[in-house]
Amino acid sequence: GDSVTQMEGPVTLSEEAFLTINCTYTATGYPSLFWYVQYPGEGLQLLLKATKADDKGSNKGFEATYRKETTSFHLEKGSVQVSDSAVYFCALRATSNTGKLIFGQGTTLQVKP
Amino acid sequence: EPEVTQTPSHQVTQMGQEVILRCVPISNHLYFYWYRQILGQKVEFLVSFYNNEISEKSEIFDDQFSVERPDGSNFTLKIRSTKLEDSAMYFCASSWTSGEETQYFGPGTRLLVL
Repeated sequence: GDSVTQMEGPVTLSEEAFLTINCTYTATGYPSLFWYVQYPGEGLQLLLKATKADDKGSNKGFEATYRKETTSFHLEKGSVQVSDSAVYFCALRATSNTGKLIFGQGTTLQVKP
Repeated sequence: EPEVTQTPSHQVTQMGQEVILRCVPISNHLYFYWYRQILGQKVEFLVSFYNNEISEKSEIFDDQFSVERPDGSNFTLKIRSTKLEDSAMYFCASSWTSGEETQYFGPGTRLLVL
């Protein structure tokens, strides 16, 4: 079945460092791909998405490119801030068309001043 | 900005008891979902609901679980006889369509079964 695999956390970076969080997926068809972020005490918020191969999603300085050839959707940011500290979830929307999201295990990012 | 709300934020219950988790989705949304996250594990899909019917459910969503939209605003998840392994964070989500629209998530209800 469809699945998502993320790099293990926690990831600890200094402010202004470059961030990469790896995400790979297994799916039939052409799923849509998402990154959600969860700040402490809050629900999941959509960070960015891409719906077809080679699309780049971007928001708040974060980017991810839908790579069908490597089945990947890695999250990147050029310069992280302390306020980016959160848990990041990669997800795909299954092609069953019921809207079901399949999530990776989440990666905790801690940014130190 | 409209948001999904969930109540209660925390619930502690005894094994075998019934619990009802409540959600108020965004008002013009048509698709509703429940997910759960056991501590330290992935967020898992439980069920999707549209037009007063379940449109898809996972293997986790057995006969102990049910969902209902009792009025025009609430969406509930009932667990009839809770087990220890039901302890998790439960997230409600809603969207305008099941296609390209974003799913908006609530803050979650943390359920602890003793």
